[in-house]
Amino acid sequence: DADVTQTPRNRITKTGKRIMLECSQTKGHDRMYWYRQDPGLGLRLIYYSFDVKDINKGEISDGYSVSRQAQAKFSLSLESAIPNQTALYFCATSAPSGNQPQHFGDGTRLSIL
Amino acid sequence: DQQVKQNSPSLSVQEGRISILNCDYTNSMFDYFLWYKKYPAEGPTFLISISSIKDKNEDGRFTVFLNKSAKHLSLHIVPSQPGDSAVYFCAAATNFGNEKLTFGTGTRLTIIP
Repeated sequence: DADVTQTPRNRITKTGKRIMLECSQTKGHDRMYWYRQDPGLGLRLIYYSFDVKDINKGEISDGYSVSRQAQAKFSLSLESAIPNQTALYFCATSAPSGNQPQHFGDGTRLSIL
Repeated sequence: DQQVKQNSPSLSVQEGRISILNCDYTNSMFDYFLWYKKYPAEGPTFLISISSIKDKNEDGRFTVFLNKSAKHLSLHIVPSQPGDSAVYFCAAATNFGNEKLTFGTGTRLTIIP
């Protein structure tokens, strides 16, 4: 089983719909992140969370919200989806101490028509 | 403003030869650097990292070199193998905490048998 699981893996939806992407992890890490990747671009940070009570905006948080339901679960929501939010979304986790690498899920491909 | 740049979108290397992937950065506050490898339909996988107090870090076939004065890092893969064919991202972080990774746009490496 994957250490970082993202659901769904693919989603097609319409403009204006509310969408939730879910991430769960079995690594026991406190820190969780959401990124998006657009074609030809690197990953960009949307939100990150150091623990259940700590949520922080990343580089491109406008139009997104998150919920940290438990240490192992971190959800990303698009309240009213728009076409330019079509992208590949990745969840990641890391241990809290020092320089620890982030571990990524396999991504959710989201298309907004 | 692209703070982490990978100027070569693609690179082809003969199997058994050395692959050299390059990355430049502009933010002098970056002090921790990572390389990730990504296969299609999978999330990025951590490969190797280096902190700014070092100029070289080696792990098996993979070596990362950091030239702080030039704000340049490179990943060497020796010898290159067909399984190394993937997209490689460099990433950088500041202040010894990797909660805000800044990614480059990636280099697609193809190993020719």
